[in-house]
Amino acid sequence: EAQVTQNPRYLITVTGKKLTVTCSQNMNHEYMSWYRQDPGLGLRQIYYSMNVEVTDKGDVPEGYKVSRKEKRNFPLILESPSPNQTSLYFCASSPKQGGNQPQHFGDGTRLSIL
Amino acid sequence: AQSVSQHNHHVILSEAASLELGCNYSYGGTVNLFWYVQYPGQHLQLLLKYFSGDPLVKGIKGFEAEFIKSKFSFNLRKPSVQWSDTAEYFCAVRDGGYQKVTFGIGTKLQVIP
Repeated sequence: EAQVTQNPRYLITVTGKKLTVTCSQNMNHEYMSWYRQDPGLGLRQIYYSMNVEVTDKGDVPEGYKVSRKEKRNFPLILESPSPNQTSLYFCASSPKQGGNQPQHFGDGTRLSIL
Repeated sequence: AQSVSQHNHHVILSEAASLELGCNYSYGGTVNLFWYVQYPGQHLQLLLKYFSGDPLVKGIKGFEAEFIKSKFSFNLRKPSVQWSDTAEYFCAVRDGGYQKVTFGIGTKLQVIP
């Protein structure tokens, strides 16, 4: 089954404790992206990746890091989480083929930073 | 920089009423336009997309959208809503070059039986 898998689904942690949210897709997609969803702000793109070893900043990259060492994986790293990073996070992927391909979304990761 | 505006943040309709959700974007180059739906507690799913050709596109569950280039708009419509359409709807723009994606802030639709 084609899917985007995020882990963990829920996490409560404390300020400053490094954490990683994993994202894996089984569709051989070149393009992957991370979003955060906040009430009244919709989805905002954090980082995206056009292919292995190619990453670019989205609209809200501050406080986040990503890596793309393999095609299927695109982890989101919070080196020193802060309460303003409490949010619902979605990973998405799509084929590269120009911009006309819709994205497939994971089920989301709800992070609470205390 | 590209941006997306969704004008209606919260819409309440009775079943069988017609729906139109506004979406305007700003971007000077080639764009690809999408509407996604997010049912409560779920991830986003594609409703429909436009990238070229017929400006009137049809999607799943009876939804359609019309791309009007001169107005930079991509409004979503449905002639008769159902209670099961209660969800949040997001318009998104993806530029043809850099593939950066920008979402609108979403419109919460509540359909009353």
